[in-house]
Amino acid sequence: GQNIDQPTEMTATEGAIVQINCTYQTSGFNGLFWYQQHAGEAPTFLSYNVLDGLEEKGRFSSFLSRSKGYSYLLLKELQMKDSASYLCAASDSNYQLIWGAGTKLIIKP
Amino acid sequence: IAGITQAPTSQILAAGRRMTLRCTQDMRHNAMYWYRQDLGLGLRLIHYSNTAGTTGKGEVPDGYSVSRANTDDFPLTLASAVPSQTSVYFCASSDSGENTEAFFGQGTRLTVV
Repeated sequence: GQNIDQPTEMTATEGAIVQINCTYQTSGFNGLFWYQQHAGEAPTFLSYNVLDGLEEKGRFSSFLSRSKGYSYLLLKELQMKDSASYLCAASDSNYQLIWGAGTKLIIKP
Repeated sequence: IAGITQAPTSQILAAGRRMTLRCTQDMRHNAMYWYRQDLGLGLRLIHYSNTAGTTGKGEVPDGYSVSRANTDDFPLTLASAVPSQTSVYFCASSDSGENTEAFFGQGTRLTVV
């Protein structure tokens, strides 16, 4: 079956660094997406990885290891506005997205 | 209209009633999607359309139907609502080609009582 696993909730301190992990099992693989979703709002795109390695975009970076079925989202210099849920989604052989349940990130002052 | 718009924002619906959730995009995206989001679960695909005139079933299509008469509109219909269809519904669209970023509407919060 197809499955995405990510932690349900994480807590971090303002100004710190946090890493949100995601493991996936899909029928075929065509890339890994990360989205951010603030409470009561729509998901918004953060990153896309299809090749192994790290993609950096400002304070956010995303890493992919295809051989391990593993990705992480790294958030640096955390700000209160980063409090949100972070959704991991893998694209399968039919380019359909399989979504994780999301990781709720709580930022404390 | 800027981006992708859903209506209504929220709705309380009696079980057994018919309901259509509206979705309109002005980005000329070929692909459109309907998802439901429930607490503790990931987004689940209900139906999708790769281009105007075509539709396909997603992971949880039962009890729902869609149509895609033109590029901009992708309505989702619940023929006879049941309480298990209480959820937040998101419409999304993406440009042609695989693995392009999806843009989401603001969501419709539906409660079936």
